[in-house]
Amino acid sequence: GAVVSQHPSWVICKSGTSVKIECRSLDFQATTMFWYRQFPKQSLMLMATSNEGSKATYEQGVEKDKFLINHASLTLSTLTVTSAHPEDSSFYICSARGANAEAFFGQGTRLTVV
Amino acid sequence: GIQVEQSPPDLILQEGANSTLRCNFSDSVNNLQWFHQNPWGQLINLFYIPSGTKQNGRLSATTVATERYSLLYISSSQTTDSGVYFCAPGQAGTALIFGKGTTLSVSS
Repeated sequence: GAVVSQHPSWVICKSGTSVKIECRSLDFQATTMFWYRQFPKQSLMLMATSNEGSKATYEQGVEKDKFLINHASLTLSTLTVTSAHPEDSSFYICSARGANAEAFFGQGTRLTVV
Repeated sequence: GIQVEQSPPDLILQEGANSTLRCNFSDSVNNLQWFHQNPWGQLINLFYIPSGTKQNGRLSATTVATERYSLLYISSSQTTDSGVYFCAPGQAGTALIFGKGTTLSVSS
């Protein structure tokens, strides 16, 4: 299957700083990628759809100014958590669809804001 | 949007037992996938199954799209099968929507 790589796997940052998470499709091109968030023992919640060369589409309730998404190439999307606070601590995971529409997920990034 | 309901929410099995996990969804879909989330959070693709039946070793899945449900069968369960199983349907070109998952615990 297709490979999606996410970096970093985990990050600890101080409150008020920004953190960038990268999501790469390694062996295919992805015009669309998706970002999810997962709290402990809960399901994955869709945050936004990242479109190559255009603005991301955010789900209701997700602050676009806090969660900046950039999809500058067909193989890279980035999520920047700006001015992070402890309530932003969570597991963030990205996904992209392969050629046959099957979705593949990155390893996820565990963010802890202290 | 699509509503996804998975059952049971929790399942405890003895090693060697069989189990069936169910996923109901509210709208017609073009895509449906089953995942196993490991303890580190990685989502492992089990099946891409918008319709029909597939088998992979001890696991098999069936989706009846017209009746809006999918089933995941695990036979001869092993302790390594423990974890959370997610069903995630979606429509063409859009994101997968995840159910709340079934947490499976297999004891030896």
